[in-house]
Amino acid sequence: DIQMTQSPSSLSASVGDRVSITCRASQSINIYLNWYQHKPGKAPKLLIYAASTLQSGVPSRFSGSGSGTDFTLTISSLQPEDFATYYCQPSYSIQLTFGGGTKVEIK
Amino acid sequence: QVQLQESGPGLVKPSETLSLICTVSGYSISSGSSWGWIRQAPGKGLEWIGSISHSGNTYYNPSLKSRVTISIDTSKNQFSLKLSSVTAADTAVYYCAREIEYSNSVTAFDIWGQGTMVIVSS
Repeated sequence: DIQMTQSPSSLSASVGDRVSITCRASQSINIYLNWYQHKPGKAPKLLIYAASTLQSGVPSRFSGSGSGTDFTLTISSLQPEDFATYYCQPSYSIQLTFGGGTKVEIK
Repeated sequence: QVQLQESGPGLVKPSETLSLICTVSGYSISSGSSWGWIRQAPGKGLEWIGSISHSGNTYYNPSLKSRVTISIDTSKNQFSLKLSSVTAADTAVYYCAREIEYSNSVTAFDIWGQGTMVIVSS
């Protein structure tokens, strides 16, 4: 089974800050890595697929990078609506288990 | 546009089987894509339960595999989840989602239902 480790598990940041979240896979998953945003009481939202491709309609302040085992989600300038929990998820060899999540809170 | 809607009992007794249905509108379930179930227990993260392809091939989270059955009904444009022998640990919000394939086996859950809360309690 592929294990996904996200870090940090939570962070506090201010509006306008640059924020980075990392996700490490227990084995190489090439570029088969997705990122989601989840707000309380809402359905999760796909942000990025294939490690770095922005889903249609997602603001360009979100970006993804990485391949193999190490991946990063970056928010270039944090906006009020970005406070949420972010999850990585592999889509490799029918192993779809999510990472533990990173909660982004207001400082 | 494509929409997904979960339905089913909000309360299930311990040791019984949890059954949910996801109804898809705006897209023919048989025309492609896979379809998945994901849950979130209170205070916990997202947990992938399993998925089914439009042709009926299934793949499950190994930690739940012994208790999970996902099936598809193309005539009703629905897919369903059955989780047997439930305990309080299965209390969660359950989401259904479309797993779209972009290219070269790149897939992602791009459209989600709003989720339905299921409580396991006697």
